[in-house]
Amino acid sequence: GAVVSQHPSRVICKSGTSVKIECRSLDFQATTMFWYRQFPKQSLMLMATSNEGSKATYEQGVEKDKFLINHASLTLSTLTVTSAHPEDSSFYICSASRDRDLVDEKLFFGSGTQLSVL
Amino acid sequence: GQQLNQSPQSMFIQEGEDVSMNCTSSSIFNTWLWYKQDPGEGPVLLIALYKAGELTSNGRLTAQFGITRKDSFLNISASIPSDVGIYFCAGSKAAGNKLTFGGGTRVLVKP
Repeated sequence: GAVVSQHPSRVICKSGTSVKIECRSLDFQATTMFWYRQFPKQSLMLMATSNEGSKATYEQGVEKDKFLINHASLTLSTLTVTSAHPEDSSFYICSASRDRDLVDEKLFFGSGTQLSVL
Repeated sequence: GQQLNQSPQSMFIQEGEDVSMNCTSSSIFNTWLWYKQDPGEGPVLLIALYKAGELTSNGRLTAQFGITRKDSFLNISASIPSDVGIYFCAGSKAAGNKLTFGGGTRVLVKP
């Protein structure tokens, strides 16, 4: 089956630094990738939709200058948390869809990145 | 954002028991998906449902897409210890492929 690789799995950083998280589709070309945020014991909340070769679409309330998304190739999307602060500490998960027409609505998820900002 | 109403929020299981959980929505979804998430991991797809009324099995798991397209349930038969985890339903509307997630059902083992 399709595999989505996310890296790093865990990162601890000082307040004010920027953190980059990578999401790769390993055996398919992902025209669309999604970034989610999950707080402890809560559900996944969509942050943004990343389309290869175009600007990401952010959900309401998500700061695009805070969470920079780049989807420069069909197999890689990156999320950069800029000037991270303790309130940005969370579990970040990416997912990928192989179908540009979005008929195949089965999404494959990465293993997540636990960000802890001190 | 909109969430699906998933219940129960948590449940305790004893090995061998059947487990049932469901999701409901006030609006129609064209696809229902069920995921399992283990601690510190991303969700793993269990079952995908594409047609109203569809009943699909995956091993000991069975899920159904409600006829009204506003609900879905997941059953786990003869539960085993590795069934412990958080189960999420998710729905997708016709376009955009954005998933709306339920709040999750946390399955725990009876002490």
